[in-house]
Amino acid sequence: GESVGLHLPTLSVQEGDNSIINCAYSNSASDYFIWYKQESGKGPQFIIDIRSNMDKRQGQRVTVLLNKTVKHLSLQIAATQPGDSAVYFCAESPPGQGGKLIFGQGTELSVKP
Amino acid sequence: DAGVTQSPTHLIKTRGQQVTLRCSPKSGHDTVSWYQQALGQGPQFIFQYYEEEERQRGNFPDRFSGHQFPNYSSELNVNALLLGDSALYLCASSLLSDRPYGYTFGSGTRLTVV
Repeated sequence: GESVGLHLPTLSVQEGDNSIINCAYSNSASDYFIWYKQESGKGPQFIIDIRSNMDKRQGQRVTVLLNKTVKHLSLQIAATQPGDSAVYFCAESPPGQGGKLIFGQGTELSVKP
Repeated sequence: DAGVTQSPTHLIKTRGQQVTLRCSPKSGHDTVSWYQQALGQGPQFIFQYYEEEERQRGNFPDRFSGHQFPNYSSELNVNALLLGDSALYLCASSLLSDRPYGYTFGSGTRLTVV
């Protein structure tokens, strides 16, 4: 199935700590993965992406890790700030489906000042 | 440069009615995809339009239909509304040659069916 569940997992961290958000994806043939941040009342905002021929990619304060063996993605946010508070979704793009994205359930990140 | 623009931002409809949602893609983009996001869940793919044709479709009934105009803007139509159609409807635009990369999402239309 795609994106099931009514209650978002929640991660609560202190400002300045590092955050790790995990995601399991569904299709072993997916060759492109994206992390999105969604704030209340807004659409998903691109954070970082990774292709299946890589296992790690770094951006500004963010790192994505890909483990294809267990179909697992993680997003690491360094020195988490209150402005990072949002819901985070991973998305996968299976090949041959015209760029359709399959989203995970999402994790709500709450940063305490 | 405006990103993806969706209208209206909020909408309340009665069960059984029909609704039309609109999307203007980001400048330079030629492909529009629609997603439905129920409360507390991730977005689910409805369909995608390119060159005024539906190219991909997700697991949604025929009550959901769409259209793309020559200027690349798009409409999502939902007939015979059900309470379960209440959701945030997101439009995402991209450039065909960049897919699946380079998606830009709008802020969505919040549809409430009563």
